[in-house]
Amino acid sequence: EIVMTQSPATLAVSPGERVTLSCRASQSISRNLAWYQQKPGQAPRFLIYGASTRATGIPARFSGSGSGTEFTLTISSLQSEDFAVYYCQQYDNWPPLTFGGGTKVEIK
Amino acid sequence: QVQLQESGPGLVKPSQTLSLTCTVSGGSISSGGYHWTWIRQHPGKGLEWIGYIYNSGTRSTSYNPSLKSRVTISVDTSKSQFSLKLNSVTAADTAVYYCARWGGQYYGMDVWGQGTTVTVSS
Repeated sequence: EIVMTQSPATLAVSPGERVTLSCRASQSISRNLAWYQQKPGQAPRFLIYGASTRATGIPARFSGSGSGTEFTLTISSLQSEDFAVYYCQQYDNWPPLTFGGGTKVEIK
Repeated sequence: QVQLQESGPGLVKPSQTLSLTCTVSGGSISSGGYHWTWIRQHPGKGLEWIGYIYNSGTRSTSYNPSLKSRVTISVDTSKSQFSLKLNSVTAADTAVYYCARWGGQYYGMDVWGQGTTVTVSS
């Protein structure tokens, strides 16, 4: 099983700041990585696939990078609606498909 | 656009079978290339993939090894639904259950249901 590790677990940020979230895979997953955003009481929202390709309708302030075992999600200028939990997920090798434990972005 | 909606009992007794259905609207469940997927989220925790059914040709399934002995995912194309059965449930199966559409390798889970809370309790 590929273990996905996200850091930090929580990040306190002010609106307008740049945010970088990390995701590490226990073995190489090429670029087979997706990112999701989840707000309280809501289903996850699909943000990015292929490590760096934004899903339809996702604002340009969200960007992803990385390959192999190290990945990042960057929000260039945090908006109020971006405070949420972010999950990475690998789809390189399954079963199982695996998610990271999440990073909560909260207001500083 | 495609929408997914979970339905099923919110309360299940220990040792019984949890049964949920996901109804697909706004698109065809028979569209090629999609894996119709179940994911769960324990209270206050992260996301756990349960499994999927690939509704093309052989209708292949894939399950999380940690749940494989208790899980069955099936599809009813005529009703545009896919279903989850999890047997011999315990309190550890209490979670929010989501259905989702996965585009397969090279893509992510792009459409999600709103989720349904299932509590296992006597």
